Amino acid sequence: AQTVTQSQPEMSVQEAETVTLSCTYDTSESDYYLFWYKQPPSRQMILVIRQEAYKQQNATENRFSVNFQKAAKSFSLKISDSQLGDAAMYFCAYRSPPESGGSNYKLTFGKGTLLTVNP
Amino acid sequence: KAGVTQTPRYLIKTRGQQVTLSCSPISGHRSVSWYQQTPGQGLQFLFEYFSETQRNKGNFPGRFSGRQFSNSRSEMNVSTLELGDSALYLCASTLTGEGYGYTFGSGTRLTVV
Repeated sequence: AQTVTQSQPEMSVQEAETVTLSCTYDTSESDYYLFWYKQPPSRQMILVIRQEAYKQQNATENRFSVNFQKAAKSFSLKISDSQLGDAAMYFCAYRSPPESGGSNYKLTFGKGTLLTVNP
Repeated sequence: KAGVTQTPRYLIKTRGQQVTLSCSPISGHRSVSWYQQTPGQGLQFLFEYFSETQRNKGNFPGRFSGRQFSNSRSEMNVSTLELGDSALYLCASTLTGEGYGYTFGSGTRLTVV
């Protein structure tokens, strides 16, 4: 079974600075999908960024980018020019490929990292 | 385009009762999943439905069940509620195939007293 580990329960960053959130995972699959989700106090999980394991190029979405190291099974999220609205719980998640059958139909989440943005 | 809608937002139930939660996915999304979120266990997968068929189920007791209707709307039911069932229940929908991300609703906060 796949596991996802987020080793930083809490992180803080100054507004306009850059912060990196860590995520490692364990899998025997060679093809899979990784995600970062943000959960603000409103509770709704918001997809921040998505990475396909067969793509070597790191995904980028505006101020959010990832450092995907497949061999190391590492998937960190970098937030540049941090804003007050970035304060939230961030979850790293794993999804198996379609050919895996049932495992494809779910996300496996890490425990999350609570990000605080200081003005 | 409307997002994933979950009702109700909050619910308070007594031990031993049963509860039904509802989820309407994004139009066109036929896969609906349910997750339980607690401070201790984090986010745990409950089950996933596609075209009214359950394709995967998490490690939860039989008291937790669900179903999906022909319009892709889904319900989950918890019978004989226990204090430990207090949690945020999140529903998510997605397009099928490949590794699309899931779109989540705002959840139903269930408190069992």
